[in-house]
Amino acid sequence: AQSVSQHNHHVILSEAASLELGCNYSYGGTVNLFWYVQYPGQHLQLLLKYFSGDPLVKGIKGFEAEFIKSKFSFNLRKPSVQWSDTAEYFCAVNAGGATNKLIFGTGTLLAVQP
Amino acid sequence: EAGVAQSPRYKIIEKRQSVAFWCNPISGHATLYWYQQILGQGPKLLIQFQNNGVVDDSQLPKDRFSAERLKGVDSTLKIQPAKLEDSAVYLCASSQSRQGRETQYFGPGTRLLVL
Repeated sequence: AQSVSQHNHHVILSEAASLELGCNYSYGGTVNLFWYVQYPGQHLQLLLKYFSGDPLVKGIKGFEAEFIKSKFSFNLRKPSVQWSDTAEYFCAVNAGGATNKLIFGTGTLLAVQP
Repeated sequence: EAGVAQSPRYKIIEKRQSVAFWCNPISGHATLYWYQQILGQGPKLLIQFQNNGVVDDSQLPKDRFSAERLKGVDSTLKIQPAKLEDSAVYLCASSQSRQGRETQYFGPGTRLLVL
């Protein structure tokens, strides 16, 4: 069965620090990869996604993620975080096929201190 | 463009009672999903509709949970009877189609507390 692991459950950073959140998945075939974000009091929204092509994908608000197939990883990065990046971040994967079922990781709660 | 609407936003019930949640997807979206998010976990798919037909309900506890999507637009999710472990946020999402590359758009969720 597919699964997604996010190893960092809580991350605390100061403003301007660099961010990298880990995401690993277990599935041997072709996958579609997503990062969703949930800001305090708001609903889940898409940050970025990867289907094929350039393994380095750029999303909204200066975020990017790199797909490394050999490591089954899709880590999220941002060079310099802001207080407004405080949120919960979820990595998700689907294997396409007949459904668009997303398998989510457990999430990483990021707190950015001003 | 209006987003996915859900109601109610919060619900508190006692165990063994029944409860229903409503979802209105983004206009024109053929695929609708219900996810359950237990505290400290990521969302887990309960059921997926394509128009008014069920595509995947493998993770739906069918002895107590039911869902329908009449006319292929709005959807309701029901729990009867509720158990303590059903306390969670119930998320509705929609996408234009069920292709793997489609973005799913999520609603604000219904936070359920079962006492």
